[in-house]
Amino acid sequence: AQSVTQLGSHVSVSEGALVLLRCNYSSSVPPYLFWYVQYPNQGLQLLLKYTTGATLVKGINGFEAEFKKSETSFHLTKPSAHMSDAAEYFCAVSDHGGTASKLTFGTGTRLQVTL
Amino acid sequence: DAGVIQSPRHEVTEMGQEVTLRCKPISGHDYLFWYRQTMMRGLELLIYFNNNVPIDDSGMPEDRFSAKMPNASFSTLKIQPSEPRDSAVYFCASRAGNQPQHFGDGTRLSIL
Repeated sequence: AQSVTQLGSHVSVSEGALVLLRCNYSSSVPPYLFWYVQYPNQGLQLLLKYTTGATLVKGINGFEAEFKKSETSFHLTKPSAHMSDAAEYFCAVSDHGGTASKLTFGTGTRLQVTL
Repeated sequence: DAGVIQSPRHEVTEMGQEVTLRCKPISGHDYLFWYRQTMMRGLELLIYFNNNVPIDDSGMPEDRFSAKMPNASFSTLKIQPSEPRDSAVYFCASRAGNQPQHFGDGTRLSIL
């Protein structure tokens, strides 16, 4: 069974400050990991994904995440926050193999960006 | 390219009525997923299809919920009879093989 824990349901940062959203996962098989962003009244959009290979993954809008197997973590970062980054962010894990290839989502972190 | 298209975007109906939510996946995608999002329970997977065949419906809350995929370009999620606790945003997503899922903009359902 897989699970995802997102620490902090709300995170507030100042514009221009570092964004750090935390995600820890549990998986019995090598995981595929994802970050999605949800803007108000919209569906989820993929920010970035980790499957295999390089552990530092770059995504859209300047976001990146690093897969750390020893820490079972996949934290999302952005060096400098912008007002347009205010949204809800979801970490997800997939057991990519076999027929049970579905995503398990975390509970989400709402990012607030202040002036 | 057209994304995943869901209709209606909003639905308000009275308890006991039948509700039908519709989804058109991205052309060529062979997986289709239905999710429910609420404040209390977050994002829950209800059911998913592969090549129009239901693979896992363990997330469907109860017999009042049913989902069909009669062809590769259309799926429905039906609630009959509806109850106030079914109020939520329902999302459809599709994907091709092991590629990431693409989500629709959701249907906001309110049961009075």
